[in-house]
Amino acid sequence: EAGVAQSPRYKIIEKRQSVAFWCNPISGHATLYWYQQILGQGPKLLIQFQNNGVVDDSQLPKDRFSAERLKGVDSTLKIQPAKLEDSAVYLCASSPRAGDGELFFGEGSRLTVL
Amino acid sequence: GENVEQHPSTLSVQEGDSAVIKCTYSDSASNYFPWYKQELGKRPQLIIDIRSNVGEKKDQRIAVTLNKTAKHFSLHITETQPEDSAVYFCAASLYKLSFGAGTTVTVRA
Repeated sequence: EAGVAQSPRYKIIEKRQSVAFWCNPISGHATLYWYQQILGQGPKLLIQFQNNGVVDDSQLPKDRFSAERLKGVDSTLKIQPAKLEDSAVYLCASSPRAGDGELFFGEGSRLTVL
Repeated sequence: GENVEQHPSTLSVQEGDSAVIKCTYSDSASNYFPWYKQELGKRPQLIIDIRSNVGEKKDQRIAVTLNKTAKHFSLHITETQPEDSAVYFCAASLYKLSFGAGTTVTVRA
């Protein structure tokens, strides 16, 4: 079974620039999550999708972050404009159902904002 | 929202000894408590989980205990080996998963 795919793996940008990350979840998984993991901290949920609808985006900084999951499969997370404090690993995860059961994580996209 | 606290932040043990990591959660309605292991530069992976209707669960050298009254749960690793060195995260969930800050475990040979 193919795992969660993410790209790019690494991205370096200047502050105030924009960046987009892509995620392809495990086939058939209805729930998709984007987590932000700052160095030395636990993953923090940014947004959770159930199929193509948003279940929770309470911790997403909506003035600069946006995410979509078109057709309930792939998802993109965008940051515009980026700030220094956005430097982190952005982890995408998927699960068959929401809030219960194993989350399958991708390798992550490491963002460095200079 | 759910707040998960995890202690200690770092733990160094001699190979063969036991390691214990403790977590507390704030939302008494949370009913699912997984533990994830993250090796350096790798993705987090589930190692064991427990649900609120169970007090203890064991899988070979790892075990998790849950005290719903006190709202805390613990991970126990026995007979530690060098490959157990990693960062371990606890989490709690009702509808969404909230993670603790992590414990860096180092197993000394």
